[in-house]
Amino acid sequence: NAGVMQNPRHLVRRRGQEARLRCSPVKGHSHVYWYRQLPEEGLKFMVYLQKENIIDESGMPKERFSAEFPKEGPSILRIQQVVRGDSAAYFCASSPFGKGPYNEQFFGPGTRLTVL
Amino acid sequence: GENVGLHLPTLSVQEGDNSIINCAYSNSASDYFIWYKQESGKGPQFIIDIRSNMDKRQGQRVTVLLNKTVKHLSLQIAATQPGDSAVYFCAETGGGGTSYGKLTFGQGTILTVHP
Repeated sequence: NAGVMQNPRHLVRRRGQEARLRCSPVKGHSHVYWYRQLPEEGLKFMVYLQKENIIDESGMPKERFSAEFPKEGPSILRIQQVVRGDSAAYFCASSPFGKGPYNEQFFGPGTRLTVL
Repeated sequence: GENVGLHLPTLSVQEGDNSIINCAYSNSASDYFIWYKQESGKGPQFIIDIRSNMDKRQGQRVTVLLNKTVKHLSLQIAATQPGDSAVYFCAETGGGGTSYGKLTFGQGTILTVHP
């Protein structure tokens, strides 16, 4: 049983480059969430997606950041023209579709982005 | 964020002691609460959850208490073991609609268990 997979685990970019973070949810899960964690802080919500649909992007910076969860393939978090302040750990979580209002989110191991 | 530059609260206990980790949440509309454990270099791991219509829930060696009056959540770990050493986060969600997709995490507490 594979859990949430994220790659790469570590990513180094220079200022101005693009960063692409990938997340493969648990098999059968239709909901994906992205969170960002700065050192010694809790995770901060960024975006919530279902297949081919963004449900809530209230935590996503308006510029340079975008996310998608296509019909086929992993979810992608894309950061254009990275700046040093983007350095953080980015976690993806997935959950199944369920009857209740809340479905447990299973977290991946994270991608640690370092911007030089 | 508002916690930038602050060190996480820490709790040091001896193996076998009971641990209590506290959390204050902010949104009175939240109706679902979760405790997560995060080990170094890993993603958060679910420990236990509780809905707002309850004030106590027990799992294996863990108990969560919810006080909605003062918006306070606590996690009790019985007979703490060195493997329990990690950062513990509370998270809240709810309020209806798509807000259930959004977890709001607390600051976190570093638990260190000494053999």
